This record gives sequence, structure tokens and C-alpha cells, in this order.
Amino acid sequence: NAGVTQTPKFRVLKTGQSMTLLCAQDMNHEYMYWYRQDPGMGLRLIHYSVGEGTTAKGEVPDGYNVSRLKKQNFLLGLESAAPSQTSVYFCASSLGVLRSNQPQHFGDGTRLSIL
Amino acid sequence: DAKTTQPPSMDCAEGRAANLPCNHSTISGNEYVYWYRQIHSQGPQYIIHGLKNNETNEMASLIITEDRKSSTLILPHATLRDTAVYYCIDHLTLEYGNKLVFGAGTILRVKS
Repeated sequence: NAGVTQTPKFRVLKTGQSMTLLCAQDMNHEYMYWYRQDPGMGLRLIHYSVGEGTTAKGEVPDGYNVSRLKKQNFLLGLESAAPSQTSVYFCASSLGVLRSNQPQHFGDGTRLSIL
Repeated sequence: DAKTTQPPSMDCAEGRAANLPCNHSTISGNEYVYWYRQIHSQGPQYIIHGLKNNETNEMASLIITEDRKSSTLILPHATLRDTAVYYCIDHLTLEYGNKLVFGAGTILRVKS
């Protein structure tokens, strides 16, 4: 089973460029999340979604936008990339609120460098 | 900010049990204790979770004290592939989203 798949795996951008990170899950999960991880630190939540067509802000949402047009996909956009957004980005998914306290399943990350 | 406290690093001999402690000084009655690990360059991997009772699965055992202020993750027979950063998390299920707050974790080094 594929689980959670993130594309691309690596990317280098110049300051001011835009890009979209794609996350796809094949587990029919309701909830999806985007985190970032900086060197030596734990993960921080950027945005999350509790279902198709819904999104909400996490801990560090500034500079990012998200969309959940299809249940299986969660897109993270950087409109104008800044060096401070150099990080490893992880997507995760989990079952919905009716199956509470279900674990999150993570992808292998996208390593993004902003020059 | 992370609400749990873990030692920054631990060593364990291959084949021996690894016991990773965690303090949950501010845990509330409806928060679960979750453990994840992150092997270098990979995404976090779910290990185990529990509320009050001790739990065991194919990967590990979880011991939670009666007052729930501390927990211990036990890897019964550690292997070199268990070398990773281990995170304990107080997990509150909110109406909108299950938010995980990661701290710095414990670096477990399994040595041959």
C-alpha cells in the first residue's frame, strides 16, 4: 500500500518563486495535515483539513496556503518563497472525528531549499 | 510549546530492552499519550498510544503511571534499526483536527 505520498521529494527555489507541494493518501482518511520540520526541532503544524473542501490554520500558517478539493489530496502552496521557508515538509493523514484518537500516518517528506 | 519532557539522548545495547521515559506534567484527563519515532530522513512513524491502561502491540509496550504524569516506552529487544528520535506527545482530540505538538524528543542510539 502506498499510504501517504508526497511530491516532489526535493526542490530548490529562488526567493520570490511560487510552488505547490502535493500530498496524496489512499487510506480514505478524512483528516490531512501539513507540518514543517527545521533542523534539530520537532514538527510544527502549518495547516490542516478535516474534510474535503475545508481547511484550517495550524501553529505556523503565515506564508502558506492550502486547498483540499479532493478527499485524497491536500495541496500546500508557497506564493512567494522566502529563505525562512527552507525546511522539510511532511504531510500526514488520519481517520475522522468519529474514530477519535486515531494515529496520524506520515509521508516521507519534501526537502525544500529557498535561495 | 511541547508539553512533555524527555531526556535528550539514550544509548542501548543491541538485543537489550530500551526503556524511554517521558514526563507529562500537564496532561489532562482526556488526553492520550502517543509515541512516534523518526528515523533519519524519514517521516514520523506511529508506535503506540494509550489513555490509562498499559498497552502492547507488535512494536512496543507502553507503561503509564497511575497518576498519568509519566510514561515509559519499552522496545523489548532493540535492534540497530531502532536507532531514531522518539517523541512522546499528549494528544488531545479536538472538534476540528487532532493536533500533535512535537517536542525535541529522545535520540535513541542502539549499539552493537
